[in-house]
Amino acid sequence: QVHLQESGPGLVKPSETLSLTCAVSGASIGSYYWSWIRQPPGNGLEWIGYMYHTGNPNYNPSLSYNPSLKSRVTMSIDTSKNQFSLNLTSVTAADTAVYHCARSSTWTLRPDLWGQGTPVTVSS
Amino acid sequence: QSALTQPASVSGSPGQSITISCTGTSSDVGAYNFVSWYQQHPGKAPKLMIYDVSNRPSGVSNRFSGSKSGNTASLTISGLQAEDEADYYCSSYTTSSTFLFGTGTMVTVL
Repeated sequence: QVHLQESGPGLVKPSETLSLTCAVSGASIGSYYWSWIRQPPGNGLEWIGYMYHTGNPNYNPSLSYNPSLKSRVTMSIDTSKNQFSLNLTSVTAADTAVYHCARSSTWTLRPDLWGQGTPVTVSS
Repeated sequence: QSALTQPASVSGSPGQSITISCTGTSSDVGAYNFVSWYQQHPGKAPKLMIYDVSNRPSGVSNRFSGSKSGNTASLTISGLQAEDEADYYCSSYTTSSTFLFGTGTMVTVL
């Protein structure tokens, strides 16, 4: 059975870098597309971006209230560890959210398996 | 890219049918038949209910059905049950090779 498990610091100070990891078990990370999706408190889902194990990441060009996100986000895949990572620099309170990693079996990026999510709070 | 537009809330009595709309543009919903729908209960991860407009993953009740006309997709829940009370999100692949979610709809079973 395939399982996705996100991990992260929980609390990050403003202007610092947020680093999250998604550990994949039960499947080869090289066989699927991987996305990060976040959900601010009381709000809807926001797709951050995706990557495949080959090629470059593709990020959401604009989010509802944080158009500079694309310039702050980096995604990477470590096939040796079978994990997927997200780095978000210069965080602000607007980045407070539950962050999910998700798998897609198709190039249409439709997530068909989600991790439970890891909550991140940006606060001093 | 703005989020796809959904009604904030829809309600119905047990046994009734409800329909949730999802309006996008010719660059997303209208461009391809790659609309999917997710159900999310509080504190839980979203669950895929419909993919490619009208297909149900294995294990999803046939009370859930999807359709699309032009730039608007719809999710219909028939025979509404208490367990259907949740948030529902539509989503679509886009012509920019990105992915877009809807604003979300809270379904209440009266």
